[in-house]
Amino acid sequence: KQEVTQIPAALSVPEGENLVLNCSFTDSAIYNLQWFRQDPGKGLTSLLLIQSSQREQTSGRLNASLDKSSGRSTLYIAASQPGDSATYLCAVMEATSGSRLTFGEGTQLTVNP
Amino acid sequence: NAGVTQTPKFQVLKTGQSMTLQCAQDMNHEYMSWYRQDPGMGLRLIHYSVGAGITDQGEVPNGYNVSRSTTEDFPLRLLSAAPSQTSVYFCASRLFKTGRTDTQYFGPGTRLTVL
Repeated sequence: KQEVTQIPAALSVPEGENLVLNCSFTDSAIYNLQWFRQDPGKGLTSLLLIQSSQREQTSGRLNASLDKSSGRSTLYIAASQPGDSATYLCAVMEATSGSRLTFGEGTQLTVNP
Repeated sequence: NAGVTQTPKFQVLKTGQSMTLQCAQDMNHEYMSWYRQDPGMGLRLIHYSVGAGITDQGEVPNGYNVSRSTTEDFPLRLLSAAPSQTSVYFCASRLFKTGRTDTQYFGPGTRLTVL
């Protein structure tokens, strides 16, 4: 059974700092890995999708990498801002099990002004 | 586009009551799904559908029914609510059932409390 783990569970940083969020998964048979953002009391918003054949994706200040063979992904946030405060979740789309997404529990990020 | 919409936003039920959580999308997406989100357990898949008339079970289907009579709507029915079903429920959709390159879109969620 696929398991997705995110470390750390919570992170607090001062504004302007660069930071890295980590995601690991146990089964490398995936189609893609996705990073989402969730604000308190809200739904999830897709940030980046990395296909299994890709190594990284970038969107603005966000850069996500994927090492499928080692079962790891990182989300790099450059020059963090208070508006980046949210919970960040990663999810893998399994190549079996009907292309379902399996989620990690998330990293709660607080960026202090 | 309204995206993925869910109603109601909040609901309180008594044990044993039944109700239906509504979900609709206006993007002509093939794939729709329901998740529940609980502290310490992340999001878990309840049921999903790859098209009108086709549904299948996810990781935690017990106590829930779904149907998909149209492409747009995917309601989730709680047959006899139990306190263990207290959770936040999210509906999600994506364009294709295989979805290897598809972004997943989520609704705003329904917060359900069962007393």
